[in-house]
Amino acid sequence: KAGVTQTPRYLIKTRGQQVTLSCSPISGHRSVSWYQQTPGQGLQFLFEYFSETQRNKGNFPGRFSGRQFSNSRSEMNVSTLELGDSALYLCASSEGNTGELFFGEGSRLTVL
Amino acid sequence: DQQVKQNSPSLSVQEGRISILNCDYTNSMFDYFLWYKKYPAEGPTFLISISSIKDKNEDGRFTVFLNKSAKHLSLHIVPSQPGDSAVYFCAATRNNAGNMLTFGGGTRLMVKP
Repeated sequence: KAGVTQTPRYLIKTRGQQVTLSCSPISGHRSVSWYQQTPGQGLQFLFEYFSETQRNKGNFPGRFSGRQFSNSRSEMNVSTLELGDSALYLCASSEGNTGELFFGEGSRLTVL
Repeated sequence: DQQVKQNSPSLSVQEGRISILNCDYTNSMFDYFLWYKKYPAEGPTFLISISSIKDKNEDGRFTVFLNKSAKHLSLHIVPSQPGDSAVYFCAATRNNAGNMLTFGGGTRLMVKP
């Protein structure tokens, strides 16, 4: 089985722009979660989608949004980028709801 | 407020010896705990988990211990191997929000040959 695939792997944006990140889960996995990793805050939960519905949401501002498509692929969007949004964004998929997640390699976003 | 803490940012161990990684949590609503391992330039990989109804779970060289009264868990790796060198994250969740993990800050384990 192919693993979790995230695109793009690296991107550079400037403040005020918006960005869309994509995630293809492992085949058969219906849950997709997004996490942000920064040196200061560590790994933080953004949101989880299951069957195209947001099931859980972390404590991030409304500039961070996501969606899931009928084929379980997911996208997350960050609008009005700030310098502090520079981070590694990790997508993870799961068969169930146990926290046993399969992570992708991440999309590294740099905001200048 | 950090609900899951790993107080040791790094740990160095000799090959063949035991590695003990520690994790503390504050939220008594957490009832399921996991350890993940992360190599550079890769996403975290699930290692082992434990439910709050247990105090020990073992999988090969890896054993996780849970002390609910102390709100403390630990990961034991015996024997440690150089390939175990990675960053280890402790994570916690609640039964009704399984995939919403709260992670600790990580401990970098270095196993010296």
